[in-house]
Amino acid sequence: EVQLVESGGGLVQPGGSLRLSCAASGFTFSSYWMSWVRQAPGKGLEWVANIKQDGSEKYYVDSVKGRFTISRDNAKNSLYLQMNSLRAEDTAVYYCARVDYDSSGYRFDYWGQGTLVTVSS
Amino acid sequence: QSVLTQPPSVSGAPGQRVTISCTGSSSNIGAGYDVHWYQQLPGTAPKLLIYGNSNRPSGVPDRFSGSKSGTSASLAITGLQAEDEADYYCQSYDSSLSGPYVVFGGGTKLTVL
Repeated sequence: EVQLVESGGGLVQPGGSLRLSCAASGFTFSSYWMSWVRQAPGKGLEWVANIKQDGSEKYYVDSVKGRFTISRDNAKNSLYLQMNSLRAEDTAVYYCARVDYDSSGYRFDYWGQGTLVTVSS
Repeated sequence: QSVLTQPPSVSGAPGQRVTISCTGSSSNIGAGYDVHWYQQLPGTAPKLLIYGNSNRPSGVPDRFSGSKSGTSASLAITGLQAEDEADYYCQSYDSSLSGPYVVFGGGTKLTVL
């Protein structure tokens, strides 16, 4: 059974940093692109970042470029999101999601339960 | 402002059929990129409902169907049930920006009357 379990969320002051983790199990982690997707309170979904299987390619939504860094450790079956210079508008539930990418497109076939990040003074 | 446009809400009575539209542009849906749909029940993580415009993952009832034409896509739900009350999101890919840029619709809240 595929499982994605996020951790690391919490309350942080504006300008602060936080590192999110996602522990993956039930599939060959090193064979999949992975992503972070966030959802602000009462709002819709927003893709945040992607990382290729071997970590050689990373992409970010414009609003987090230069502040967030996605990374992975295939030996530990883990995905990370280092968030620096946090702003109030980064407040959201952050989901770890597995990417399924083939001739039927690029989509998220499994999601974690999410971890809440609150940026406030 | 989402790249893909969805109606904020739709509603229907049990047993009825509802559709949810997802309108994009020539840099995403109109460029040939597939559309996928997610269902988010209250307080839970999103779940993949339709992929590749019209394919259902195993376990998704055939009451749910998807289609795509031009720069738009649609999700149809027939035989509406109370448990279908949820938020629905479309998702595609946009080539107007650098890298694999994933885009979502703003979401549609389905109310079962």
